[in-house]
Amino acid sequence: EAGVTQFPSHSVIEKGQTVTLRCDPISGHDNLYWYRRVMGKEIKFLLHFVKESKQDESGMPNNRFLAERTGGTYSTLKVQPAELEDSGVYFCASSRAPQDTQYFGPGTRLTVL
Amino acid sequence: RKEVEQDPGPFNVPEGATVAFNCTYSNSASQSFFWYRQDCRKEPKLLMSVYSSGNEDGRFTAQLNRASQYISLLIRDSKLSDSATYLCVVNRVSWGKLQFGAGTQVVVTP
Repeated sequence: EAGVTQFPSHSVIEKGQTVTLRCDPISGHDNLYWYRRVMGKEIKFLLHFVKESKQDESGMPNNRFLAERTGGTYSTLKVQPAELEDSGVYFCASSRAPQDTQYFGPGTRLTVL
Repeated sequence: RKEVEQDPGPFNVPEGATVAFNCTYSNSASQSFFWYRQDCRKEPKLLMSVYSSGNEDGRFTAQLNRASQYISLLIRDSKLSDSATYLCVVNRVSWGKLQFGAGTQVVVTP
C-alpha cells in the first residue's frame, strides 16, 4: 500500500510569491491533516479534512493560507502571498477515522527568502 | 504554557544501556497518547500508542499517569538505530487533532 505522498519535497520562493503544496493521502483514508514545523518549534496542527469538508481549521495561521480538498482525494495548501515566517516543513497526514493512527508524508520543506 | 512539554535532551546513551524520559501534558481532556519517532529530516512515524495500564513493545515500554498528566518512554538494550528524536503526542479522540511536544533527542553511542 502506498504511503502519503507530498509534492514538492522542497520549495524556495521569494517573499510575496505564491506556493501551492500538494498531498495525496493513503487510498481510502477520509481524514486528511496538515501540520507545520517552523524552525526550533514543535509540529503544529493546521487543519483537518473529512473527505472534502473542513472539520477543523483552528490551526490555520491567517487568511494567506488556503487549503482545499476537492473531491475528497488529494489536498492542496496554498500560501499567498508568502512571508518569511512561513518557512518551515509542512507535513500532511491521513487516517481512516479521526481516532485511528495518522500516517505522515515526507513533508515539503518551504523556504521563503 | 505549552500543551505538551518534553525535555529536549540530548540523552547520550551507551549502546546496550537503558534510557527513560517523560513528557507532561496540560489538558486533562486529552484522550489518546502516543510516542512518535522522527529521524533527522524525515517524517514522524508512530512508535507506539500509550495505554492507561502501560504497554510494552519489544524493548520499548510506555507508561501513562493520568493523575499527574505525564507519559513516559523507556528504551532497554539501546541500539545505535534507536538514535532519533522521540515526539510525545496527545489527541482529543473526537477531534483527530494531534498535539506534539518539541521532542526528546536520543543519541546512542558505540
